[in-house]
Amino acid sequence: QMQLVESGGGLVEPGGSLRLSCAASGFTFRGYYMTWIRQGPGKGLEWVSYISRDSGMTTYYADSVKGRFTVSRDNAKNSLYLQVNTLRTEDTAVYFCARMGGWGAFDIWGHGTMVTVSS
Amino acid sequence: QSALTQPASVSGSPGQSITISCTGASSDVGSYNYVSWYQHHPGKAPKLMISDVSNRPSGVSNRFSGSKSGNTASLTISGLQAEDEADYYCTSYTSSSTYVFGTGTKVTVL
Repeated sequence: QMQLVESGGGLVEPGGSLRLSCAASGFTFRGYYMTWIRQGPGKGLEWVSYISRDSGMTTYYADSVKGRFTVSRDNAKNSLYLQVNTLRTEDTAVYFCARMGGWGAFDIWGHGTMVTVSS
Repeated sequence: QSALTQPASVSGSPGQSITISCTGASSDVGSYNYVSWYQHHPGKAPKLMISDVSNRPSGVSNRFSGSKSGNTASLTISGLQAEDEADYYCTSYTSSSTYVFGTGTKVTVL
């Protein structure tokens, strides 16, 4: 079945970095745009970034993470990544990856990986 | 980009219909038919319920329907059931080629 599994979260100090991963299975990964979404504790969902299919040459970011986060993909490994740098306490959240089934649909989601930014 | 506006909570009795609104701007909801709705039970993966304003993915109950008028999109749940109790979020593509989520609505089945 089609599945996304995130990993790489953890506890990090302010200013630190992490690399989040999202392993895809059950579909032709290279053929889809992919996106990251997060949910802070007690907060709603917040869109973070997306990357185009195939070469991944096109990327977009929310203003809140622009310049600090970088999305990438390795189609040979069926994997999506989010490099998160210069972390702030407000970046504390569960980070979800999702497949973009079209411009108006995030149709497959993972269960998320928790990032906690605290000293 | 400001979050789309949703009511914080909506409630209804089993069997009733409820509607959740999602108000944006001409730069997002009003300009694109790329509005989608997600059901989220805390601790689980969000689930796509409606795509492209009004399309229901395979496997989603036909009790869920979507629509849009101007800068406001809506999700209607008919024949409310206990299992529908969850948080619901809308999202829209924007003129900046980004996405914006709604503030979220907690649906309670009385």
